[in-house]
Amino acid sequence: EPEVTQTPSHQVTQMGQEVILRCVPISNHLYFYWYRQILGQKVEFLVSFYNNEISEKSEIFDDQFSVERPDGSNFTLKIRSTKLEDSAMYFCASSGTRYGEAFFGQGTRLTVV
Amino acid sequence: AQTVTQSQPEMSVQEAETVTLSCTYDTSESDYYLFWYKQPPSRQMILVIRQEAYKQQNATENRFSVNFQKAAKSFSLKISDSQLGDAAMYFCAYRSAVQGAQKLVFGQGTRLTINP
Repeated sequence: EPEVTQTPSHQVTQMGQEVILRCVPISNHLYFYWYRQILGQKVEFLVSFYNNEISEKSEIFDDQFSVERPDGSNFTLKIRSTKLEDSAMYFCASSGTRYGEAFFGQGTRLTVV
Repeated sequence: AQTVTQSQPEMSVQEAETVTLSCTYDTSESDYYLFWYKQPPSRQMILVIRQEAYKQQNATENRFSVNFQKAAKSFSLKISDSQLGDAAMYFCAYRSAVQGAQKLVFGQGTRLTINP
């Protein structure tokens, strides 16, 4: 069964460093998303991406964040200068249609020290 | 802005019995989608069931069914014949049907424990 794959599963980075989280969405999907879940809190939407551009973003997704689809398969989330409060589980998701089911990856746990 | 509230941080049920997880939401929109997602210890979120707001009939998927009360803005999940594999965090989520809106708004989650 096709699935969304995220790498790495866990990343530790120093405050102020840049980090790139990687995702391989399901191959025929066109809509891509990033969500995050701070430990013990609810899952929060960050950004959606379609046709090589951001289609919707939350107030969390400030200038420190960027997304990219560098080739036909990967979808990345970059945090330019990480802060302690960026420590969270980051989930990538994809869907085949605008209102179709979102399939989630297993997440990348980001720890900023 | 839409909000989703799950008032039960934790629930437990005996194996083979039935449990209902509660969810309420707040919106001024008339057309939207509601979801229940399951997040087992593996952390991957899996869609359990989906309901379109314009449909009066409650969605069902095998042992999972919902009680959708649009006027009350309530969307509860009933799990029948609970199995050990049902143990997980369950998240209720809302998505607008407005053109261009794609984000899911999640509740705080309910941790479900199945007692053998």
